[in-house]
Amino acid sequence: EAQVTQNPRYLITVTGKKLTVTCSQNMNHEYMSWYRQDPGLGLRQIYYSMNVEVTDKGDVPEGYKVSRKEKRNFPLILESPSPNQTSLYFCASSLVPYSYNEQFFGPGTRLTVL
Amino acid sequence: KQEVTQIPAALSVPEGENLVLNCSFTDSAIYNLQWFRQDPGKGLTSLLLIQSSQREQTSGRLNASLDKSSGRSTLYIAASQPGDSATYLCAVSPYTGANSKLTFGKGITLSVRP
Repeated sequence: EAQVTQNPRYLITVTGKKLTVTCSQNMNHEYMSWYRQDPGLGLRQIYYSMNVEVTDKGDVPEGYKVSRKEKRNFPLILESPSPNQTSLYFCASSLVPYSYNEQFFGPGTRLTVL
Repeated sequence: KQEVTQIPAALSVPEGENLVLNCSFTDSAIYNLQWFRQDPGKGLTSLLLIQSSQREQTSGRLNASLDKSSGRSTLYIAASQPGDSATYLCAVSPYTGANSKLTFGKGITLSVRP
């Protein structure tokens, strides 16, 4: 089944403890990105990647890192999480960059930073 | 800067009613518009994708239309059912640039009463 998977689905952690949220797609998509969803603010893009080893900042990149060493994986790294990073995170992918392709979203990761 | 608006924020209708969900956007330079469904605490499911050159798309009981020049899209749901209860988001992608960043509306939370 073609899909975007994320792990973990739920995570409660404490301030400053490094964590990684994994994202994987099995559709051979070149483009991947991360969004966060917050009440009243909607979905905002954190980082995106146009292909292996090509990443760039979205609208809200502060406090996050990403890497794209393989085409299928695009992990989101929080090196020193803070409470304002408590949010619902979504990974998305599409076949190629440029905007005419449909985007597919993962199931989301609900992160709570205490 | 692209802004996407969905009004009203919430809607409650009796089962069986045909309904229209509205989406408006400020910049008509878009590649496509996608409608998503989000169940509480869950991921985003893509419902329909309309390319900028298209006027409408249909899938089952759903029909989405796009009027790019006026910056509007509608999602028509025929014969609504309680299972249609969810939040519906529309998102547009920019015409230029390789970052396929979607700009989302804040969504319309639909409740279909049995």
